[in-house]
Amino acid sequence: DAGITQSPRHKVTETGTPVTLRCHQTENHRYMYWYRQDPGHGLRLIHYSYGVKDTDKGEVSDGYSVSRSKTEDFLLTLESATSSQTSVYFCAISPGTPGEQYFGPGTRLTVT
Amino acid sequence: AQTVTQSQPEMSVQEAETVTLSCTYDTSESDYYLFWYKQPPSRQMILVIRQEAYKQQNATENRFSVNFQKAAKSFSLKISDSQLGDAAMYFCAYRSAWGGTYKYIFGTGTRLKVLA
Repeated sequence: DAGITQSPRHKVTETGTPVTLRCHQTENHRYMYWYRQDPGHGLRLIHYSYGVKDTDKGEVSDGYSVSRSKTEDFLLTLESATSSQTSVYFCAISPGTPGEQYFGPGTRLTVT
Repeated sequence: AQTVTQSQPEMSVQEAETVTLSCTYDTSESDYYLFWYKQPPSRQMILVIRQEAYKQQNATENRFSVNFQKAAKSFSLKISDSQLGDAAMYFCAYRSAWGGTYKYIFGTGTRLKVLA
């Protein structure tokens, strides 16, 4: 299995509070991704990174920011959590070529 | 923009039988990757199979095989000799082969039930 961890694995927070999710990899892959998974929507890309300090937006980036100061860590921040951000969040990594993408175990976030 | 469509929200198959999950996609690109991922109740996303668009031959991994029809933009997954452990959500995904952005686009998934 690819070496990807996510922390925390579960979190309950209140509306309006900031939340940071961490993704850590030991594979030295260049590309890292944050997705959210909601029933009926599959996986939707929030942000991704193509190198240290190089990030770009995905299709559902509003309300989220990311940072990548080291190859191995990719942080996802909800500046002010809302109930619509209750979801399961997945981190993924990829070497680029070949095209496989490997996923972390996911974080279940509940915003009350 | 590319899109991926899985039109079967749920399917059922008897144990030991064969089932085919459908996936269609839309793209103007000529070179790309297609994937099937499995998500069991544990929630872990597991890569099942990968197909490179420039390869004519359909990919196969043990009991899993694909029917890749590039002109029709169709990428179906066939599971032979279905087992109880195959019960899961299955996601089809697309990624460009070039361009450097390497974004993945996922379908909405098909829930597969395996009946004993």
